Amino acid sequence: GAGVSQSPSNKVTEKGKDVELRCDPISGHTALYWYRQSLGQGLEFLIYFQGNSAPDKSGLPSDRFSAERTGGSVSTLTIQRTQQEDSAVYLCASSPGLAGRELFFGEGSRLTVL
Amino acid sequence: AQSVTQLGSHVSVSEGALVLLRCNYSSSVPPYLFWYVQYPNQGLQLLLKYTTGATLVKGINGFEAEFKKSETSFHLTKPSAHMSDAAEYFCAVAYNQGGKLIFGQGTELSVKP
Repeated sequence: GAGVSQSPSNKVTEKGKDVELRCDPISGHTALYWYRQSLGQGLEFLIYFQGNSAPDKSGLPSDRFSAERTGGSVSTLTIQRTQQEDSAVYLCASSPGLAGRELFFGEGSRLTVL
Repeated sequence: AQSVTQLGSHVSVSEGALVLLRCNYSSSVPPYLFWYVQYPNQGLQLLLKYTTGATLVKGINGFEAEFKKSETSFHLTKPSAHMSDAAEYFCAVAYNQGGKLIFGQGTELSVKP
């Protein structure tokens, strides 16, 4: 596809379970971002991958959160031992890489932790 | 640490009235500045951006924003609001070409008939 693809679009899980969220960026885009959007909280930066550089993990809220990007393309965000406060929409975005360039967002993965 | 502040989580205007959404950033380093819009049940899309050059930037749907370095601001305006402008608007900043993009808390714009 031409856009950023995220899966699953909706995920309901029980507290304490692990979840994986996937992002397929636009082909050729070297930069990939994960954000979390909660009601009233805006877009919270989680992690940023830029080419072969070490990722900027400064936004990850706890060590239960991790992300990887394989082959400079697909990325997976993993949340271990989910908590109710993890419920949110997780957005992935990609860009050609330079800060002055536009980010292209996926539709998001809505996570609900019961 | 870099940050972006959007004044007012909710703004309500009448149709045809001026829209003004405020954004301030924290840094002495010239930034790259963006406004994104999220319409109900849709993804985020770029409204406009400032990188270098002219400080008054025009975007889609009649919106514009002015970069004022002395005020560290990048306020978004539209002369005449339309019902279809109702959405959430996010200001964002990056500080170098390889830098991460940080978003503000968002401002929800309501337009009354």
